[in-house]
Amino acid sequence: GENVEQHPSTLSVQEGDSAVIKCTYSDSASNYFPWYKQELGKRPQLIIDIRSNVGEKKDQRIAVTLNKTAKHFSLHITETQPEDSAVYFCAAGNDYKLSFGAGTTVTVRA
Amino acid sequence: EAGVTQSPTHLIKTRGQQATLRCSPISGHTSVYWYQQALGLGLQFLLWYDEGEERNRGNFPPRFSGRQFPNYSSELNVNALELEDSALYLCASSFVGLSYEQYFGPGTRLTVT
Repeated sequence: GENVEQHPSTLSVQEGDSAVIKCTYSDSASNYFPWYKQELGKRPQLIIDIRSNVGEKKDQRIAVTLNKTAKHFSLHITETQPEDSAVYFCAAGNDYKLSFGAGTTVTVRA
Repeated sequence: EAGVTQSPTHLIKTRGQQATLRCSPISGHTSVYWYQQALGLGLQFLLWYDEGEERNRGNFPPRFSGRQFPNYSSELNVNALELEDSALYLCASSFVGLSYEQYFGPGTRLTVT
């Protein structure tokens, strides 16, 4: 089955700086790579996703890159703000099954 | 549009008992997924139901089971509860074929004492 590794497990950044979270996956058949944000006490919510036929996708301050050859993908958050503080999960899979990484706790220092 | 709902919010059981968790998907969604979120372990895939059938299950023992009803709501049953079953159980729904996106419910916090 799919195995997703996520690094780092915790990340502390100064407000305004960038944050990068990296994930690797094992199953070359995976073709869908979403990122979820989970604020304390709330449900995970999709913030951005990318499919295997795309190498990069951007949505305002958030971008995701995918390297299918190396089987890794990354989340980039620019100009971080206090409301970006949360746990971020990457996932890899297809249209019916996702395997999630263990999560990255991001803390944005004011 | 109402989101995914789950009940109960919290559930406290003793070891050896059975727990039943419920999930109502977004209207129009036919797929329901169950995940276990134990502290520090991310989201572990439990089960996937679509059109009333179990389509896939994760690496969990058979005492984790469930079903999907004709209205697409779903139930997760955990038998012979063990202390390590204590976790947040999240349900997600999607409409396979339309979008890959899974929408999560607020979860049920199960505590086994």
